[in-house]
Order: sequence, then structure tokens, then C-alpha cells
Amino acid sequence: NAGVMQNPRHLVRRRGQEARLRCSPMKGHSHVYWYRQLPEEGLKFMVYLQKENIIDESGMPKERFSAEFPKEGPSILRIQQVVRGDSAAYFCASSFSRGTDTEAFFGQGTRLTVV
Amino acid sequence: QQQVKQSPQSLIVQKGGISIINCAYENTAFDYFPWYQQFPGKGPALLIAIRPDVSEKKEGRFTISFNKSAKQFSLHIMDSQPGDSATYFCAASKSGGSYIPTFGRGTSLIVHP
Repeated sequence: NAGVMQNPRHLVRRRGQEARLRCSPMKGHSHVYWYRQLPEEGLKFMVYLQKENIIDESGMPKERFSAEFPKEGPSILRIQQVVRGDSAAYFCASSFSRGTDTEAFFGQGTRLTVV
Repeated sequence: QQQVKQSPQSLIVQKGGISIINCAYENTAFDYFPWYQQFPGKGPALLIAIRPDVSEKKEGRFTISFNKSAKQFSLHIMDSQPGDSATYFCAASKSGGSYIPTFGRGTSLIVHP
């Protein structure tokens, strides 16, 4: 039973390029959460998705960032026209059901570096 | 999202000592308080969690103490070991909505042999 799989583990992009980060949740999990972690900072919530629906995107920047979780396939966090400030570790977590009694399992993260 | 304040930012403890990390929250609607452990290059992993209906929860060497009136909770690591060296995050979330924990800034723990 594989855990939450994120790829790539490391991603280097030049300013202005697009970054696509993928997250495959644990088997049977239909809830996905994306977090951003900056050096010396905690985990900042970005977006919460269920299959084909964005439930909460209150932590997502209004521009350049988008997320999806299609019926088939992994969840994608997309960053258009990346800037140096986008450099961070991006973590995806998944859970089986909604509610606070359900543990969220984290992936190993994608470390994005914008040069 | 409401902020969760965590201290200290870093902590150095000798092997066998007690590590104590504190967190405070503002939103009284929070009713679930997990702690996560993160090793370098890895994702956070749930370590232990507590609800406000109990004041303490213990799992092995790890104990959460919860003070509802003060809106504070803390993690105690007894007999700290070098393998405990990691970053620890407290978090808080609320029932009845989506499970979106709000995280503290993290504490970098180093346990010296």
C-alpha cells in the first residue's frame, strides 16, 4: 500500500516558466490538500480538493496558481510564470474522509527552485 | 485561518533529557490538536493528537498536555534520543468543516548524544 506519492521530488524552473506538481493520494483517499513550506516557516495551507471539486482554496494566491483533482489521475498543482518567491517545498496530503478524526497522510514533497 | 503560535523555534537537549514544545491558539472552535514530526527531506508524519475533552494523552515517550482555559497545548518528549532530532509542528483544526489543520511554525529539535 503505497503512501502519498509526489513527483517530481525536485523541480528547477527558470523565471517565467510553468511548474506542474503532481500528487497521487493513498489508495482509497478522495481528499487532497496542498501546503507550501518556506525555509524556517511552517506549513501554509493552499487548497483542499475532492475528486473533480475544489472545496477550499482560501490559501491559494489569486494569480498564477491553480489546482485540480480530476476523476482519474493525480492531483496537479500548477504554477504559471514562476518567480523566485515561488521557491519552496510543496507538500500534498490525502485523507480517506472529511472530518477531523481522519488522519491526513503527507507525501515527501516537491522542492521547487526558481532560478 | 487562525494562527497557531509555537515556541521555541529551536531546541537543543541532551540525550535522556525532556524536550518541551509549546503551542497556543486563538480560535476556540478548534477541537483537534495533532502534532507532526518531520525529518529532513521527508513529509510531516502524525505523531500524536488530542481533543480538548482530555487534559493529557500519552503514547510511549510522547505526551500532549492540554489546557483548554489557557488555549495552550504542549508536547513533552521524555528520555529524548538522538533519533528524535527532527522538526515538530503543532496544528489545530475544527470539526464540522473540512479537515484543514492550521500549523505552527515548527520547532527544530536537536538531541545531542
